[in-house]
Amino acid sequence: EAQVTQNPRYLITVTGKKLTVTCSQNMNHEYMSWYRQDPGLGLRQIYYSMNVEVTDKGDVPEGYKVSRKEKRNFPLILESPSPNQTSLYFCASSLSRGPEKLFFGSGTQLSVL
Amino acid sequence: AQSVTQPDIHITVSEGASLELRCNYSYGATPYLFWYVQSPGQGLQLLLKYFSGDTLVQGIKGFEAEFKRSQSSFNLRKPSVHWSDAAEYFCAVGSTSGTYKYIFGTGTRLKVLA
Repeated sequence: EAQVTQNPRYLITVTGKKLTVTCSQNMNHEYMSWYRQDPGLGLRQIYYSMNVEVTDKGDVPEGYKVSRKEKRNFPLILESPSPNQTSLYFCASSLSRGPEKLFFGSGTQLSVL
Repeated sequence: AQSVTQPDIHITVSEGASLELRCNYSYGATPYLFWYVQSPGQGLQLLLKYFSGDTLVQGIKGFEAEFKRSQSSFNLRKPSVHWSDAAEYFCAVGSTSGTYKYIFGTGTRLKVLA
């Protein structure tokens, strides 16, 4: 089944403790991206990647890192999480560089205490 | 600056009634436009998209949307709402300028009364 898989689904952590949210797609998509969803703000793009080893900032990149060492994986790294990064995170992918239909993962609810 | 506005935060309709969700965009060129639906606890699913051509586009689940360049709008419609349509709906613009960005609206939450 074609899908975008995120893990974990829920994560509670404390300020400053490094964490990684994984994202994997099995559709051989070139484009992958990360979003955060906050009430009243909709989805905001954090980072995106057009292909292996090619990444760029979205609208809210501060406090986040990404890497694209393999085409299928696009992990989101929070080196030193802070409470304002408490949010619902989505990974998405599309076949080409876009704009194209985005396939979304099921989301990761992160709470930073 | 590019932006997407969904002026209605919440909408409540009765089952069987018609539905229109509003979306206005600000974009320098002809945009690529999308509507996505998010059911509770789920990721977003594409309902329909507009790239060019016929300004009335059909999507899944009986939804349609009309692109009106003069009004910078891309409103989503459904003639008869079902209880299963209760969800949050997002309008989005895809950049055509090579930056590969997507801009989402803040969403409209639809409630359906039985």
